[in-house]
Amino acid sequence: AQSVTQLGSHVSVSEGALVLLRCNYSSSVPPYLFWYVQYPNQGLQLLLKYTSAATLVKGINGFEAEFKKSETSFHLTKPSAHMSDAAEYFCVVPIYNQGGKLIFGQGTELSVKP
Amino acid sequence: EAGVTQFPSHSVIEKGQTVTLRCDPISGHDNLYWYRRVMGKEIKFLLHFVKESKQDESGMPNNRFLAERTGGTYSTLKVQPAELEDSGVYFCASSQDLGGYSYNEQFFGPGTRLTVL
Repeated sequence: AQSVTQLGSHVSVSEGALVLLRCNYSSSVPPYLFWYVQYPNQGLQLLLKYTSAATLVKGINGFEAEFKKSETSFHLTKPSAHMSDAAEYFCVVPIYNQGGKLIFGQGTELSVKP
Repeated sequence: EAGVTQFPSHSVIEKGQTVTLRCDPISGHDNLYWYRRVMGKEIKFLLHFVKESKQDESGMPNNRFLAERTGGTYSTLKVQPAELEDSGVYFCASSQDLGGYSYNEQFFGPGTRLTVL
């Protein structure tokens, strides 16, 4: 069964520092992988998506993720953190051919210190 | 264009009471999904409607949960009677017709935080 694992439930960085949020997927290679973000008091929002085309995916707000089959990883990065990046981030995989239902990782809460 | 809306935003009830959560999807979205996040756990799928029909309800925890989608528009999720373990945040999401694809972007509402005392 497809699954995703996020390493670290809380990550804290200083403003301007590199953001790295880790996600590993199960060995059955998924055709899609996503990162969603939930800002305080808002719904989840799609940040970026991998669709088996380019392995390096760029998303909104300067985030990007690289699909690495050899490492079964899909880590999320941003070169320079901003205070507005403080949110919870979810690595997500849709279950193939099951109506699009989503399987979520545990979530990583990102704090950004001034 | 209005996004997915959910009502209420918070609900506090006592064990044994009934609560009904409502979700209004984006207009024209045939697919409607319910998810739940229990404190400390990951967000989990509950069920999926295509228009007014239940496509997949494999994630519904038990028969105390009843979901409906009248006329293929808004959806309600009723918990009766509520138990302590039902506390959590209930999310609704909608997406356009899959059109043969295995995935179409889901747009999420802000969630309803349910507390059962």
